[in-house]
Amino acid sequence: GQQVMQIPQYQHVQEGEDFTTYCNSSTTLSNIQWYKQRPGGHPVFLIQLVKSGEVKKQKRLTFQFGEAKKNSSLHITATQTTDVGTYFCAGRKGNKLVFGAGTILRVKS
Amino acid sequence: EAQVTQNPRYLITVTGKKLTVTCSQNMNHEYMSWYRQDPGLGLRQIYYSMNVEVTDKGDVPEGYKVSRKEKRNFPLILESPSPNQTSLYFCASSDTGVYNEQFFGPGTRLTVL
Repeated sequence: GQQVMQIPQYQHVQEGEDFTTYCNSSTTLSNIQWYKQRPGGHPVFLIQLVKSGEVKKQKRLTFQFGEAKKNSSLHITATQTTDVGTYFCAGRKGNKLVFGAGTILRVKS
Repeated sequence: EAQVTQNPRYLITVTGKKLTVTCSQNMNHEYMSWYRQDPGLGLRQIYYSMNVEVTDKGDVPEGYKVSRKEKRNFPLILESPSPNQTSLYFCASSDTGVYNEQFFGPGTRLTVL
């Protein structure tokens, strides 16, 4: 069945450095969503990508959806301590949402 | 305030003792779902509901039951909990199924001894 793989599992960066997490699917995705979960919190929706090759930006965050709609990435420019947390991607599978395992981001100040 | 609520937030129980985790949303959403979160495995869907009286299995439904008698409520039932059900559970809702943003509850941390 469809799986969504996410790498890296964990990343520790110096404040001001960039960060990227990647999401890959074994099958074509109709959409991909990204969520952020702060430590001790619940997942919060960031964005959804639908179109092949789509790129969306939210301030320092850049989201991309691959041309084949099988992969996606989230890039954070110049990380800040407020960026800490776990970032999840999720792809639609029928009426279900399949999540990646998440990337834990830690930022050293 | 638009929100998804879950109760209890924390629960320690023993093997075999039936329990229910409640979930309620005040946004009139049709789609509701339950996830469990385990380290290294991300969020895995247990059950989902497209509307009242319509429920379906997610990817890890074994050992769980749900019901959807009212639009706003979607309780998760563990008839005979086992230690491998120790996890962090999240309820979520959406007005457009999986086609758009999922709103998550605060989570319920369950420990089964």
